[in-house]
Parts: sequence; C-alpha cells; structure tokens
Amino acid sequence: EPEVTQTPSHQVTQMGQEVILRCVPISNHLYFYWYRQILGQKVEFLVSFYNNEISEKSEIFDDQFSVERPDGSNFTLKIRSTKLEDSAMYFCASRVLAGRGDTQYFGPGTRLTVL
Amino acid sequence: ILNVEQSPQSLHVQEGDSTNFTCSFPSSNFYALHWYRWETAKSPEALFVMTLNGDEKKKGRISATLNTKEGYSYLYIKGSQPEDSATYLCAFFSSGSARQLTFGSGTQLTVLP
Repeated sequence: EPEVTQTPSHQVTQMGQEVILRCVPISNHLYFYWYRQILGQKVEFLVSFYNNEISEKSEIFDDQFSVERPDGSNFTLKIRSTKLEDSAMYFCASRVLAGRGDTQYFGPGTRLTVL
Repeated sequence: ILNVEQSPQSLHVQEGDSTNFTCSFPSSNFYALHWYRWETAKSPEALFVMTLNGDEKKKGRISATLNTKEGYSYLYIKGSQPEDSATYLCAFFSSGSARQLTFGSGTQLTVLP
C-alpha cells in the first residue's frame, strides 16, 4: 500500500541553523500539508500546498518557514534559523483531492531537536 | 480558534472489554471529521472520514458515529485486543477553513492482556 515517507526520522541541530525536512507524498496525490506537534501539545497545522503554491498557512508559519516541491516527488519544509521552540515532531501529509470525504494520509514524522 | 476536545485523555481496559471515547467539536460550520489511530513511531493511520450527520462507519471491531448538530463523535471498539493499544485522534475540518485539520489531544488507550 502506498505511504507517505519522511526523512530523517530524527534531526538534531543547533539554534540558528537551517534545517530541511523532507517528505515524499503518495505519488498521485495533489494536496500536501505540514503539521507539527510540540511535546505534550496537540498536533497543529502549519501549511497546505497545492499546484506549486501555498494555499493556506497558520500563524505559526512565519517568514522563517518555507515549503517547496523541488521535483515531482519531494515536498520539503525549510526552517531558516531554528529556535529552541521549533523543537517538535513534524508531520507531512497528502491527499489525492480536497473533497469533503477525502482522507489525509500522514507520514511517520521527523523529530526535530534544537539545542 | 476552533476547540476540539477528546475524552477521556487516557483509558486502561482489559482484553475483551468494549470501550468508547468522545470527540467534541464546534457544531457550526461543520465540514468533516477524521479519526486516526496512532502508534508511537508510526504514521497516524486513517480510520474514518465522517461527513454527514448521523453517519455510522465501521472497520472490523472499530466503529464511529457522528452528531453534527450537537457537535460530537463517538469511537467504539468492541472486544478490545492488546494490539488496539494506541492513541486515537480526532480532527475537525471547518467549512470556514477546509484546508486545515484541527486536532484534539487524543485518547491514549491501553489494553491489558
């Protein structure tokens, strides 16, 4: 069964460094998402992406964040200058269409630790 | 800010017991409700997408109901097994913002053999 994959599974970085989190969505999916979960808190929406542009973003997704689909398969989240509070589990998700009954499929997450 | 609440926060049951948990969400601007099963270090697994008031969906021993007028959904597990141990998440799509899921905090289920 097709699945969303994410790399790396765990990333440790120093505060102020740039990180790129990578996702490979399911191949025929058209809508892509990033969510995050800070330890002990709810999963939070960051950004949705369709047709090579951001379709919606949350207040969390400020100028330090960017997303890109550099080729036909990868979907990346870049954090330009990481802060301690960016430490979280980051989830990528995709779905084939954005219809009401369409399922959003999640990857296993990347745990980002900022020191 | 949309408020999606799940109860209980955690639950321990004996193997063979049936159990249920609740997800409550805003009753206005309902678009869809998703249920996920999430085991540590794995991807959240999609269980159900519920869209209509009165929906009932079933997948093996797991079923879910939806009441959009009062803003709640129940997830039922019949005859719990140790492999059902996981966190069960609900997530709400508002018609005002249909591109983002708002998650509850989850119910952590432990099934004791």
